[in-house]
Amino acid sequence: EVQLVQSGAEVKKPGESLKISCKGSGYSFTSYWIGWVRQMPGKGLEWMGIIYPGDSDTRYSPSFQGQVTISADKSISTAYLQWSSLKASDTAMYYCARRGDYGDFNFDYWGQGTLVTVSS
Amino acid sequence: SYELTQPPSVSVSPGQTARITCSGDALPKQYAYWYQQKPGQAPVLVIYKDSERPSGIPERFSGSSSGTTVTLTISGVQAEDEADYYCQSADSSGTYVFGGGTKLTVL
Repeated sequence: EVQLVQSGAEVKKPGESLKISCKGSGYSFTSYWIGWVRQMPGKGLEWMGIIYPGDSDTRYSPSFQGQVTISADKSISTAYLQWSSLKASDTAMYYCARRGDYGDFNFDYWGQGTLVTVSS
Repeated sequence: SYELTQPPSVSVSPGQTARITCSGDALPKQYAYWYQQKPGQAPVLVIYKDSERPSGIPERFSGSSSGTTVTLTISGVQAEDEADYYCQSADSSGTYVFGGGTKLTVL
């Protein structure tokens, strides 16, 4: 069974750093792209970027380029999303999702989400 | 930047047909995908490549495409279909784009 399990909720202060994770299982982790999607409170889905764990090829949305870093450790089947200096506006639910076999740009399996709260 | 436009809300009575549209200039060249998101849950893919249905998705969910508009149709709407629905595609540079989402209310 394909599963993406994300790390737990985080509460941080502005200016702090953070790295959240997404562990894949039940499939060949190195053969599928993993994307990250932001959902701010009460708002819609926003695509942040995507990584191919096989060779760490990474693409970013222009809106998030330079704001976050996406990485992966294929030895432990885990993808990461990190911030070097959080802002209150980073408060959101963050989902990882696998780019699936249903075409070029779909996400067929999603993690449960990681809630990040940034508040002084 | 490329945008996909959806109506903010659609309301239907149980048993009726709901249609949710999504418009974007690149849709004639790129496939569209639809996701259902219920409160407190992660999104679920319900339609891929404009009109195909993943295994496990009820037959009442269907999709179609015409020019710059794609449509998600839910026939015989049930109370459990009340959710937010998002279309998704990509622009010519491969940047993924989500529509703003449509809240489906079952009256």
